[in-house]
Amino acid sequence: DSGVTQTPKHLITATGQRVTLRCSPRSGDLSVYWYQQSLDQGLQFLIQYYNGEERAKGNILERFSAQQFPDLHSELNLSSLELGDSALYFCASSVGLHNEQFFGPGTRLTVL
Amino acid sequence: KNEVEQSPQNLTAQEGEFITINCSYSVGISALHWLQQHPGGGIVSLFMLSSGKKKHGRLIATINIQEKHSSLHITASHPRDSAVYICAVLASGSRLTFGEGTQLTVNP
Repeated sequence: DSGVTQTPKHLITATGQRVTLRCSPRSGDLSVYWYQQSLDQGLQFLIQYYNGEERAKGNILERFSAQQFPDLHSELNLSSLELGDSALYFCASSVGLHNEQFFGPGTRLTVL
Repeated sequence: KNEVEQSPQNLTAQEGEFITINCSYSVGISALHWLQQHPGGGIVSLFMLSSGKKKHGRLIATINIQEKHSSLHITASHPRDSAVYICAVLASGSRLTFGEGTQLTVNP
């Protein structure tokens, strides 16, 4: 158990819908990262927050957004969902900006 | 060409064998992660290293910064080591860039 929690574990929804994925980092970690793992693209970095501020952006679609709250938990919002958004979404956390990252169990999103 | 290349893509071994997985990268990095992903999907961080060698139980990771190369070794392999092993580098900023993974199967 890495200490990073993600909810829900599984999510099945329809195209065009909007979902919110939640992540709670390890106690004491200030950085939260979001990654997407799809069958054809592998693991890809989406976005990073540090102590409530966005720090880095990767291949994140405009339909996706994220935020980190004052209690340091983070949410990833996915809207206007398409079939191709079906993937495993991982959250990771680290103490600072360049420290070892610890991964949550992931949320498996299926868009039908 | 990917920034992070792993070899082999697939590896099958017999229990007890010594296993090596290689990772080469083409960018300057501040650190490199080795990750393990089990069939259920969960990802476990095995090592983060920026120089030299680290050991944890039967796992050993080495990195050569000048040659832009890292290896993950598993001694006395066991069927429970069967998983996908992923190399990931910290290049620009603090984002990880991932290799495609090595699927390891250890047969009893």
